Amino acid sequence: DSGVTQTPKHLITATGQRVTLRCSPRSGDLSVYWYQQSLDQGLQFLIQYYNGEERAKGNILERFSAQQFPDLHSELNLSSLELGDSALYFCASSAGARPNQPQHFGDGTRLSIL
Amino acid sequence: SQKIEQNSEALNIQEGKTATLTCNYTNYSPAYLQWYRQDPGRGPVFLLLIRENEKEKRKERLKVTFDTTLKQSLFHITASQPADSATYLCALVRTGGYQKVTFGTGTKLQVIP
Repeated sequence: DSGVTQTPKHLITATGQRVTLRCSPRSGDLSVYWYQQSLDQGLQFLIQYYNGEERAKGNILERFSAQQFPDLHSELNLSSLELGDSALYFCASSAGARPNQPQHFGDGTRLSIL
Repeated sequence: SQKIEQNSEALNIQEGKTATLTCNYTNYSPAYLQWYRQDPGRGPVFLLLIRENEKEKRKERLKVTFDTTLKQSLFHITASQPADSATYLCALVRTGGYQKVTFGTGTKLQVIP
């Protein structure tokens, strides 16, 4: 058990809708990372937050946004959903701000767009 | 942008043998390179980290090498066991002005009893 909790495990919705994915980091970790994993593209880094502030940005679409709250949990909001957004979304946490530190991953949220 | 290549095809080896997985990259040399293990339906699990000034790192049956001239990392599992069957991901960490982690697509390892 990594100590990182993601909810929900599965989400099924329709195109055009908006969803929120939630992540609770491992106790004591200040950084939260979000990744998208699809069969053909592997793990794609979306965004990192450290202690409530955006730290680094990857290939995150404008339709997607995230935030990290004072209790350090994080949410990833996906809007105007398209079929291509169907994927596994992972959250990871680490102790500090630097990405060289080991990341601890949750078991992901599987998003299916119908 | 950084491109990472891992063996796209699955690697099948006999139990007890040494498995060797390859991670090749282009463009900039990362400051760090990490290896993760991912089982079906689960998140990746961190295994080892190696710095650019380190040639080799070991942990129990695992060994990682890092050759910045060849732009390649090799990941070895000695005395492989069926329980080692999983997908293994390499991740390149770039530091400096824009810190970022880039993952490879992974190599699926199957250890046959």
